[in-house]
Amino acid sequence: AQSVSQHNHHVILSEAASLELGCNYSYGGTVNLFWYVQYPGQHLQLLLKYFSGDPLVKGIKGFEAEFIKSKFSFNLRKPSVQWSDTAEYFCAVNEWREYGNKLVFGAGTILRVKS
Amino acid sequence: NAGVTQTPKFQVLKTGQSMTLQCAQDMNHEYMSWYRQDPGMGLRLIHYSVGAGITDQGEVPNGYNVSRSTTEDFPLRLLSAAPSQTSVYFCASRLGNTGELFFGEGSRLTVL
Repeated sequence: AQSVSQHNHHVILSEAASLELGCNYSYGGTVNLFWYVQYPGQHLQLLLKYFSGDPLVKGIKGFEAEFIKSKFSFNLRKPSVQWSDTAEYFCAVNEWREYGNKLVFGAGTILRVKS
Repeated sequence: NAGVTQTPKFQVLKTGQSMTLQCAQDMNHEYMSWYRQDPGMGLRLIHYSVGAGITDQGEVPNGYNVSRSTTEDFPLRLLSAAPSQTSVYFCASRLGNTGELFFGEGSRLTVL
């Protein structure tokens, strides 16, 4: 079965620091990749997604992610974080099946940005 | 459009009680799913449906039942609640086999 690993469960950064959150998956076939964000007290929202084409994907709020197929990775980056980026971040991988592709989530990374 | 609507937002149950979490979407999405969110475990898929009359199990289906009689609704039933089912439950939907999932606001369930 598909598994998605997020390397850090908690990350604490100061404002303006650079961010990189790791994500690795186990599925060897065709994948669609996503990063979702959950701000405190809110539901999940899509940050960015990769389906095909340029492996460097840009999302909302200055976030980007790079798909490296050979490493089964889809790491999330932001050059300079803000206090408002404090949230929990989830990597997700769409597992292709005969029907009803399943979206499998990682355990999440809680980011706290200190002002 | 209201998007994905879940009810109730909060519920406290005693062990052994049954209840249904309701989920409705008005976007004509074929795919609907239920996840539970637990600290340190991310979101785990309980059940999903690719259309009316079709459901399938996810990673953690035990203790939960679903049905999909209409495109709009996808209720999640707990037949005999257990403390291990204390969690936050999210319903989500999307248009086809791929693409962005749209999430409801969540239902926080506590089983005593």
